[in-house]
Amino acid sequence: KNQVEQSPQSLIILEGKNCTLQCNYTVSPFSNLRWYKQDTGRGPVSLTIMTFSENTKSNGRYTATLDADTKQSSLHITASQLSDSASYICVVTGGAGGGADGLTFGKGTHLIIQP
Amino acid sequence: DGGITQSPKYLFRKEGQNVTLSCEQNLNHDAMYWYRQDPGQGLRLIYYSQIVNDFQKGDIAEGYSVSREKKESFPLTVTSAQKNPTAFYLCASSIGARSGNTIYFGEGSWLTVV
Repeated sequence: KNQVEQSPQSLIILEGKNCTLQCNYTVSPFSNLRWYKQDTGRGPVSLTIMTFSENTKSNGRYTATLDADTKQSSLHITASQLSDSASYICVVTGGAGGGADGLTFGKGTHLIIQP
Repeated sequence: DGGITQSPKYLFRKEGQNVTLSCEQNLNHDAMYWYRQDPGQGLRLIYYSQIVNDFQKGDIAEGYSVSREKKESFPLTVTSAQKNPTAFYLCASSIGARSGNTIYFGEGSWLTVV
């Protein structure tokens, strides 16, 4: 069964500090991995998308890494800001043909930035 | 502005009542989706449509129905057969349903049973 596990479930850090969120998956065959940011009560917004051949991808203060051998990804947030408080969702696409029914969503990491 | 518009933002349903959530997109995307999000759970796919007049069941389609009469619109009806409908519903779209296409989400609709 395809699964995406995220850790930690929740995290509280002080403004200005860095943090790293983890995503482990068992989706096979693998197509790509996305990180989304979801503010409370809002729709998720795409941060990055990574394919099998990509190890690192940055989007401003967000840097995602992918290790396809160990089936792990991380999202590193540098110099956190209060606006980074949100849930971060890891989504892995796989299975035959990919597509809408090939997406597996993690439960998300709830990040709180304290002033 | 281009995007996905969901309405209403908040909806209350009485027992035994059908309700319809609206989803409109002006991104010219072929594929549209409906997801359900429960607290502490990952998003679950209800229905998706790759093209007008065609749609497919997702993982939790029971108690829901959809239509895709226009490219821009993909309304979701929560029927009385859905026994636990209280949740946050997200509509999404993408250029196509291929795995490499980014999925864009609307702002969501909260449905509560009263």
